[in-house]
Amino acid sequence: DAGVIQSPRHEVTEMGQEVTLRCKLISGHNSLFWYRQTMMRGLELLIYFNNNVPIDDSGMPEDRFSAKMPNASFSTLKIQPSEPRDSAVYFCASSSSSTGRAFFGQGTRLTVV
Amino acid sequence: GEDVEQSLFLSVREGDSSVINCTYTDSSSTYLYWYKQEPGAGLQLLTYIFSNMDMKQDQRLTVLLNKKDKHLSLRIADTQTGDSAIYFCAEYTGKLIFGQGTTLQVKP
Repeated sequence: DAGVIQSPRHEVTEMGQEVTLRCKLISGHNSLFWYRQTMMRGLELLIYFNNNVPIDDSGMPEDRFSAKMPNASFSTLKIQPSEPRDSAVYFCASSSSSTGRAFFGQGTRLTVV
Repeated sequence: GEDVEQSLFLSVREGDSSVINCTYTDSSSTYLYWYKQEPGAGLQLLTYIFSNMDMKQDQRLTVLLNKKDKHLSLRIADTQTGDSAIYFCAEYTGKLIFGQGTTLQVKP
């Protein structure tokens, strides 16, 4: 298995534009986590899914952020409209819900100018 | 609620042992994890311990869990310069909550 795959690796966009981050889970995993990492706030859990269903989205900063799992192996995190304070590294991770042993993608470094 | 705390920085000399500490608040944690993050990279799962265990050893890594005090530690024996990284502990209660990370600096 290739592991968790995120795309793009880097994204630079202008304020106000829509940004979509993508994540492919490890085959057989049924939990998906989206995290945001910044120097100031560390690693923040934004949202997580079990079996394609969002379980806890309390970490999503505001309505500009949305996440979906259109199928069991793929997820998107969308920011619309983007703002400079959204600049961060966004990670997704997948796991089996029975163990919680999560494996991370390489992250997407988002810069909003 | 869930909260995971770590000290922010640790500096050791090459060849010494490193001990990174972590405290957590949720007693319903089923698994506790240690992750390593090198610059520009994602988080790599290092080791984990099930909540009904008190120790786990994996080569140079030893994890100790004191469930009564909700304290977790990671000991790295014979620390090498390649061990320099940020180390995160995390608790799993259905969701995975991370501490703020401990930067380990290894001096030659």
